[in-house]
Amino acid sequence: GAGVSQSPSNKVTEKGKDVELRCDPISGHTALYWYRQSLGQGLEFLIYFQGNSAPDKSGLPSDRFSAERTGGSVSTLTIQRTQQEDSAVYLCASSTRDRYYEQYFGPGTRLTVT
Amino acid sequence: GQQLNQSPQSMFIQEGEDVSMNCTSSSIFNTWLWYKQDPGEGPVLLIALYKAGELTSNGRLTAQFGITRKDSFLNISASIPSDVGIYFCAGRGSSNTGKLIFGQGTTLQVKP
Repeated sequence: GAGVSQSPSNKVTEKGKDVELRCDPISGHTALYWYRQSLGQGLEFLIYFQGNSAPDKSGLPSDRFSAERTGGSVSTLTIQRTQQEDSAVYLCASSTRDRYYEQYFGPGTRLTVT
Repeated sequence: GQQLNQSPQSMFIQEGEDVSMNCTSSSIFNTWLWYKQDPGEGPVLLIALYKAGELTSNGRLTAQFGITRKDSFLNISASIPSDVGIYFCAGRGSSNTGKLIFGQGTTLQVKP
């Protein structure tokens, strides 16, 4: 079946502009995660949605970052007033409810802030 | 916060050699996972470990969940060129969450 998809694959934006990144999880997966990967680094947790529960936002680096998940499926990560340090690959993952630690990743969106 | 130390940072080996990498944590983890990431792709799950002492294999890959629950290792036997990539360990802490903490990665290069 289809895996996790993300769009756009690449985004170049000017400092100060807002950007929206989209994630389509695997069908039937109730949990959805966003991570950030800076060049040559590991993955940094941002936010986690599980069903209808309140999301775990503990990894969001500032109030410029927000995410929503509509209808329990598609998710959008929004970064307002982008800064150069926001440049990174943003990865989305999904999992089933009972094996939520086995996360399946999308290809990522490479964000470059100029 | 919880952190994972992964080593080595990089490895350059000859095809056919065995490889070993490990991850250590200052705190206990309930689950350890190993992922591989190819350039331009998201990480792919290789092996998941659920209890202390567990040893699990997936083809030429073998991983173990340390007895102390603070470490894990991944071995690759008889390496081949397609093993090239970045290997990440990841752990889940004691809280009931899907949040994973990732190591910094081990970059593996294999010389044919």
